[in-house]
Amino acid sequence: KQEVTQIPAALSVPEGENLVLNCSFTDSAIYNLQWFRQDPGKGLTSLLLIQSSQREQTSGRLNASLDKSSGRSTLYIAASQPGDSATYLCAVISGGSYIPTFGRGTSLIVHP
Amino acid sequence: DVKVTQSSRYLVKRTGEKVFLECVQDMDHENMFWYRQDPGLGLRLIYFSYDVKMKEKGDIPEGYSVSREKKERFSLILESASTNQTSMYLCATGGSYEQYFGPGTRLTVT
Repeated sequence: KQEVTQIPAALSVPEGENLVLNCSFTDSAIYNLQWFRQDPGKGLTSLLLIQSSQREQTSGRLNASLDKSSGRSTLYIAASQPGDSATYLCAVISGGSYIPTFGRGTSLIVHP
Repeated sequence: DVKVTQSSRYLVKRTGEKVFLECVQDMDHENMFWYRQDPGLGLRLIYFSYDVKMKEKGDIPEGYSVSREKKERFSLILESASTNQTSMYLCATGGSYEQYFGPGTRLTVT
């Protein structure tokens, strides 16, 4: 059974820092990995989708990488801003299923 | 852009009431999902549907049922609401293995 772990569970950084959020999964036979952002009391917003044949995806200040062999993905946020404060979740869809497995998320606070 | 809407953002119901949560998507996706999210427990799958009138139980289906009469609409039903069903409920839809979420419904059962 696929398990997804996100470390750290919480992170507090000053504005302007570059930071890395980690997502690890136990079964490397995945179709894709998706990163989401969730603001308090809101739904999940899709940030980046990496398909199994890809190594990375970029959107603005965000860059997500995927290393299937080691069961890891990282979300890199450049020049963090207070507006980046949110919970970031990763989800993996494994081979043979269209049901994603979610991590518990990393709660990020960027303070001015 | 994919749009997923949920019938209510906030809902307060009494114990024992029958509760309907509705979700509508505009992307013609086959797959639709209902999750609940609680602090410290993460996202948990209640039910999912891969086609009209088709449904499968997720990890925590007890106390819930679902209905999918049309492709774009997936309803979650709490047959007799209880206080332990107070939670954030999230609907999602998926096409080619990518998920899109609605804004969520914060349900409080008193």
